[in-house]
Amino acid sequence: GAVVSQHPSWVICKSGTSVKIECRSLDFQATTMFWYRQFPKQSLMLMATSNEGSKATYEQGVEKDKFLINHASLTLSTLTVTSAHPEDSSFYICSAAGTTRETQYFGPGTRLLVL
Amino acid sequence: AQTVTQSQPEMSVQEAETVTLSCTYDTSENNYYLFWYKQPPSRQMILVIRQEAYKQQNATENRFSVNFQKAAKSFSLKISDSQLGDTAMYFCAFIPGNTGKLIFGQGTTLQVKP
Repeated sequence: GAVVSQHPSWVICKSGTSVKIECRSLDFQATTMFWYRQFPKQSLMLMATSNEGSKATYEQGVEKDKFLINHASLTLSTLTVTSAHPEDSSFYICSAAGTTRETQYFGPGTRLLVL
Repeated sequence: AQTVTQSQPEMSVQEAETVTLSCTYDTSENNYYLFWYKQPPSRQMILVIRQEAYKQQNATENRFSVNFQKAAKSFSLKISDSQLGDTAMYFCAFIPGNTGKLIFGQGTTLQVKP
């Protein structure tokens, strides 16, 4: 299957700082990318959907000014957690889909710890 | 509402035995896609099997098969000849219509015992 990478895999930051997470599709063009959040031993919750070249669509309850998503190219989407707080500590996972959005390929995830 | 329910938070099975994980879903869409994903301790999401709602035939993938009951909105996963490497959290999920949005169940933690 297709390969999706995320960087960094682990990040620790101080409260109030911003953190950027990258999601890359390595061997295919991702028309759509999705960002999920997962708390320990819980399910994945969709945060937002991004299409290349357009604004992201955020799920209800997700602060778009806090979680900035950019999908500037067909192989890269970024999630920036602005002014991070300890409650933003979580596991963030991206997925990428080509023209057929029912087939999504997941990245390995990024663990964020805000002190 | 579009929801997925996995009623078994935890399950265990002996190596080489067969286990079935339950999943029900709710949607008003007639066209959708159903999935089972595996999340091992590494937390990498791995697609186990998928089923298109318009196909009556149950999907199979080696030791993994599903029992898709569209009228009952049920989509169970059967793992045959369980292996230690099958130990993971399993998520049932579906994409309603053409939204592309995956909706996940709560997950079932499966422990395969030697």
